[in-house]
Amino acid sequence: DQQVKQNSPSLSVQEGRISILNCDYTNSMFDYFLWYKKYPAEGPTFLISISSIKDKNEDGRFTVFLNKSAKHLSLHIVPSQPGDSAVYFCASPLIASYGKLTFGQGTILTVHP
Amino acid sequence: DAMVIQNPRYQVTQFGKPVTLSCSQTLNHNVMYWYQQKSSQAPKLLFHYYDKDFNNEADTPDNFQSRRPNTSFCFLDIRSPGLGDAAMYLCATSRTGGIGEQYFGPGTRLTVT
Repeated sequence: DQQVKQNSPSLSVQEGRISILNCDYTNSMFDYFLWYKKYPAEGPTFLISISSIKDKNEDGRFTVFLNKSAKHLSLHIVPSQPGDSAVYFCASPLIASYGKLTFGQGTILTVHP
Repeated sequence: DAMVIQNPRYQVTQFGKPVTLSCSQTLNHNVMYWYQQKSSQAPKLLFHYYDKDFNNEADTPDNFQSRRPNTSFCFLDIRSPGLGDAAMYLCATSRTGGIGEQYFGPGTRLTVT
């Protein structure tokens, strides 16, 4: 049972345009969400997070939106750059389990020059 | 300036031959995690240590064991690897295990022949 789902395996975007990566979750206990970015041959690195008390968090070119009623979050990258090409995972920690992360399957973002 | 180090980066073992993967951290974090990621799937938690306390996920096969001899090091032992154990193994750390971000190593890609 996939509690965090990223339904788009891949996304291709032109440099300078907006990239929108989507994530859905089913577990109502999730109240904090993180986005990780992963380059080939490297481990995931933290990108941005959002708490359920907010509906938006912004950090430079990256903005995460949370719609609790729809159990949906999205990551917006504006403007997209070729260096953003990577796999993006959304994840949620279970505080009761020492922060155990439940990950989505990931979305491969390719930004074309 | 490495923070979470995994050795080796690539490991080839034979079916049924025990193998040990290594993780070390320079962050002095309390919690260390081992995730398994199979191709095109979400990383899945196998177990974690909070200090010396070991916590196994319910669906982690008995074939997988772990040791944490001190704060800095954590090992993943696979007693009798099967072909289905071929995967990327990711080690991560967290300061307290709450909602804080986890820091990942680059992973060890295990091949079973």
